[in-house]
Amino acid sequence: KAGVTQTPRYLIKTRGQQVTLSCSPISGHRSVSWYQQTPGQGLQFLFEYFSETQRNKGNFPGRFSGRQFSNSRSEMNVSTLELGDSALYLCASSPGLALTDTQYFGPGTRLTVL
Amino acid sequence: AQSVAQPEDQVNVAEGNPLTVKCTYSVSGNPYLFWYVQYPNRGLQFLLKYITGDNLVKGSYGFEAEFNKSQTSFHLKKPSALVSDSALYFCAVREGGDSNYQLIWGAGTKLIIKP
Repeated sequence: KAGVTQTPRYLIKTRGQQVTLSCSPISGHRSVSWYQQTPGQGLQFLFEYFSETQRNKGNFPGRFSGRQFSNSRSEMNVSTLELGDSALYLCASSPGLALTDTQYFGPGTRLTVL
Repeated sequence: AQSVAQPEDQVNVAEGNPLTVKCTYSVSGNPYLFWYVQYPNRGLQFLLKYITGDNLVKGSYGFEAEFNKSQTSFHLKKPSALVSDSALYFCAVREGGDSNYQLIWGAGTKLIIKP
């Protein structure tokens, strides 16, 4: 099976702009989670979607939003970008909601805000 | 509240020596524990997980981890380190019975293997 894919891989934006990142999960996986990774804050959970419904949300401002489509593909959007939003954004998919499910990660999208 | 601690920011090991990356956890119920590795500019790769059963779990790339319930630890080990093992390692836990299903992540440990 193909792995988790994320597009684009690299993105450069300026402050105040908005950005949309895309994630295609492993075929058959219905759960998608998003993380922000920065050198200072480590790996921080953004949100998780299952069957087009947001199930969990991390402690991020409302500028960060996401959605999941019927084919399980997911997008996240960041509006009014700030310099501090520069980070590696990681998407992970898992089969479902079992506690024993493994999350499989994509390569990430490197976002730079100037 | 659930938590995971990786007490060492960085671990330095000589090539060929055994390596250990430490992880301790705190949960109320049964823990489900995971180890991941991240190479530079890449996503996280799954190494192994403990669900139940044998306390010694074998994973990818020759890594194994030992679950110790009394010490609430899940240390990652490898008998003989390779330079190519140099990477960032993350430990994560889910708690049995937690309806949120959320993975709780450690801060990561940078492993440096010197030739």
